[in-house]
Amino acid sequence: QQPVQSPQAVILREGEDAVINCSSSKALYSVHWYRQKHGEAPVFLMILLKGGEQKGHEKISASFNEKKQQSSLYLTASQLSYSGTYFCGTGGNQFYFGTGTSLTVIP
Amino acid sequence: DAGVIQSPRHEVTEMGQEVTLRCKPISGHDYLFWYRQTMMRGLELLIYFNNNVPIDDSGMPEDRFSAKMPNASFSTLKIQPSEPRDSAVYFCASSQQGPWYNEQFFGPGTRLTVL
Repeated sequence: QQPVQSPQAVILREGEDAVINCSSSKALYSVHWYRQKHGEAPVFLMILLKGGEQKGHEKISASFNEKKQQSSLYLTASQLSYSGTYFCGTGGNQFYFGTGTSLTVIP
Repeated sequence: DAGVIQSPRHEVTEMGQEVTLRCKPISGHDYLFWYRQTMMRGLELLIYFNNNVPIDDSGMPEDRFSAKMPNASFSTLKIQPSEPRDSAVYFCASSQQGPWYNEQFFGPGTRLTVL
């Protein structure tokens, strides 16, 4: 029931792009994306709702394929501050956080 | 707003002792969530409340765990008796309105170590 994220880890150089994927085996009402830095709490990035509505930070983009129960987070022109672990969270009958993707941006 | 407040930030206890974690949600938020984070299991939703009423506690691992929300500004998560496998970071989060349609605001977490 826990959504699966891919890749598990990625290393980028500043300015490069990355895509993080989230896949669920359950029907979804919504997909959340959060970033967590080491030793800190998860911080909200965006929500994608069934039907196409999105709420979140303007600089973050993501997609939600309701039929396939999948979502992707797009990080463009990465900055050092993007480093952290990214979690998707899926809302259906319950709420589950994904397995996490560790992203490291190096100079 | 001060954000979600949790106490204590760190707790070290011995196996068999009772542990109580505390949370104050953001004023005006009517949903409160308790999560546990470990390396092995990731972030798990333990229980959530709506307007102080427990809605879903299916994530609570055992009867040793209990949670209460006596009023809109305070919740506790209690472990009695504690075991070493309960060692984890426990997060409290709150949100407005429907839990799956709005941002969850997380507290700083309580790092629990059970010896």
